[in-house]
Amino acid sequence: DAKTTQPPSMDCAEGRAANLPCNHSTISGNEYVYWYRQIHSQGPQYIIHGLKNNETNEMASLIITEDRKSSTLILPHATLRDTAVYYCIVRDLTSGTYKYIFGTGTRLKVLA
Amino acid sequence: GAGVSQTPSNKVTEKGKYVELRCDPISGHTALYWYRQSLGQGPEFLIYFQGTGAADDSGLPNDRFFAVRPEGSVSTLKIQRTERGDSAVYLCASSLGGGLEEQFFGPGTRLTVL
Repeated sequence: DAKTTQPPSMDCAEGRAANLPCNHSTISGNEYVYWYRQIHSQGPQYIIHGLKNNETNEMASLIITEDRKSSTLILPHATLRDTAVYYCIVRDLTSGTYKYIFGTGTRLKVLA
Repeated sequence: GAGVSQTPSNKVTEKGKYVELRCDPISGHTALYWYRQSLGQGPEFLIYFQGTGAADDSGLPNDRFFAVRPEGSVSTLKIQRTERGDSAVYLCASSLGGGLEEQFFGPGTRLTVL
């Protein structure tokens, strides 16, 4: 079972920041937080990952709370092309297997 | 460069038939994963290869499902005696190694069992 919970859907106005929350209250010290997104009829696409520090790349920022029980993915200036399902995944890299366990994600709709 | 490719893009078969789904990973990627995705759900892990060997096949639902990667690059997912419940999008992903590296996903093969 997925170790994360996300709201099923969100809307965001084009040009505004999209803030997607994720709850992972049972996360352990060895587990990283990964975010992927899936645009309709395509395979998932990597966005960002982190352990405990906030991370930023050209696509997004990841804010992880100090207790690591939740995180927020921030798309700073959402465009219509950011409409997708966003998956938050907790991943244990010490278990010897590197599979992802996906939940049902958040369906983000960016509105013109 | 070329991404992960999967063939066919669509496969329609009849209940009880055998199917093979092919995945061509990114050149040089040693890790390869198979997932399947049902409508409205997130992808579900099936099997993970490191090189030629299956390092984790815990997600294969039953013994009708089998996957191979004989030369450490191309992989084939094989499904025997297909059932209507096998209908899904089958996704393949590859990564440079295991660990932290991101997984690059292909576009998937949509399997429909009539």
